[in-house]
Amino acid sequence: DAKTTQPPSMDCAEGRAANLPCNHSTISGNEYVYWYRQIHSQGPQYIIHGLKNNETNEMASLIITEDRKSSTLILPHATLRDTAVYYCIVRNLGNTGKLIFGQGTTLQVKP
Amino acid sequence: GAVVSQHPSRVICKSGTSVKIECRSLDFQATTMFWYRQFPKQSLMLMATSNEGSKATYEQGVEKDKFLINHASLTLSTLTVTSAHPEDSSFYICSAVSKGYEQYFGPGTRLTVT
Repeated sequence: DAKTTQPPSMDCAEGRAANLPCNHSTISGNEYVYWYRQIHSQGPQYIIHGLKNNETNEMASLIITEDRKSSTLILPHATLRDTAVYYCIVRNLGNTGKLIFGQGTTLQVKP
Repeated sequence: GAVVSQHPSRVICKSGTSVKIECRSLDFQATTMFWYRQFPKQSLMLMATSNEGSKATYEQGVEKDKFLINHASLTLSTLTVTSAHPEDSSFYICSAVSKGYEQYFGPGTRLTVT
């Protein structure tokens, strides 16, 4: 079973920041928080990952709470092309670290 | 970034026939690849772990004799759906693990069994 909980859907206005929450209260010390997204009928796309520090890349920012029990993915300026299903996954980094997908959050960016 | 391809992107086959799906890591070597299946409006479900040079490890409930996995080289894994039936119609996605343990996904293969 997936070890994360996400809201099933969210809306965001184009140009505004999209903040996607994720709960992972049972995360263990050696597990990372990963975010992927899947645009309709395509393979998942990696967005960002982190262990305990906040992370930022060209796509998004990841804010992880100090107790690591929850995190937020931030898309700073959402566009229509960001409409997708966003998956938050906890994973061991080793070679056999499977990605177990939950139901994710369907983000709808509206004009 | 690393690129993973799948072939074919779409396939239609008749009930009772077998179909092979290829997953290739184009610019890196992958000792481990994963196979997922996704039904409409559902999430990805992990089917099996494919390790180069050894037998695949299947998730609970996945029939290993129906979904044959071969990982003969560091850049290629194949999934063969044997004696396909309409209920096997699905979106099949592979991923490949790089040396840095990151997973990169293929674009998926849409299988329709008539």
